Amino acid sequence: DAKTTQPPSMDCAEGRAANLPCNHSTISGNEYVYWYRQIHSQGPQYIIHGLKNNETNEMASLIITEDRKSSTLILPHATLRDTAVYYCIVRAGSSNTGKLIFGQGTTLQVKP
Amino acid sequence: DAGVIQSPRHEVTEMGQEVTLRCKPISGHDYLFWYRQTMMRGLELLIYFNNNVPIDDSGMPEDRFSAKMPNASFSTLKIQPSEPRDSAVYFCASSFRRSGNTIYFGEGSWLTVV
Repeated sequence: DAKTTQPPSMDCAEGRAANLPCNHSTISGNEYVYWYRQIHSQGPQYIIHGLKNNETNEMASLIITEDRKSSTLILPHATLRDTAVYYCIVRAGSSNTGKLIFGQGTTLQVKP
Repeated sequence: DAGVIQSPRHEVTEMGQEVTLRCKPISGHDYLFWYRQTMMRGLELLIYFNNNVPIDDSGMPEDRFSAKMPNASFSTLKIQPSEPRDSAVYFCASSFRRSGNTIYFGEGSWLTVV
């Protein structure tokens, strides 16, 4: 599975957009980019995933570069409840059956 | 719908005792995962099942750990004998291949071995 690189920590002001970067320069053609977050003491929570195209759902947007070597998770209007560790994961396997291997993630601190 | 249900939520046990963690996946899901999280090692995948069959157990730390899935709605992770270094949060997760295979996690079982 491709390895991902994320900054260890980031701050964001409440109400502003939080942009979390992720590098995955060794990603293969059939590998998806997944984002999860983990709020303290809870299980990881699925946010969004994508293969090539940008994706958006009710929680966030995922922007994947054309060469697919990096991506950005965007939380459009961060709130204090978005403070969490955010994991960028590259997942392999046909029909997305590969393992989710977590790295160290980015600790996002949303400040009032 | 109920999410992934794990029990017990918290357990404190003495070194050498057997520990059994239980998991009920989301109904209809055909994949089940066991993860362990510690401060030192982060989130580690221990083992996962597809249709009740173990597919990859390469993350199971040693013979003291075993996992079973006797049916589609129940799985156990057993540690025998337990050691202080097994203290961690153990997460169970499940997914359904035909709906994108997104993996959903339970709230975890917090294990302390003293």
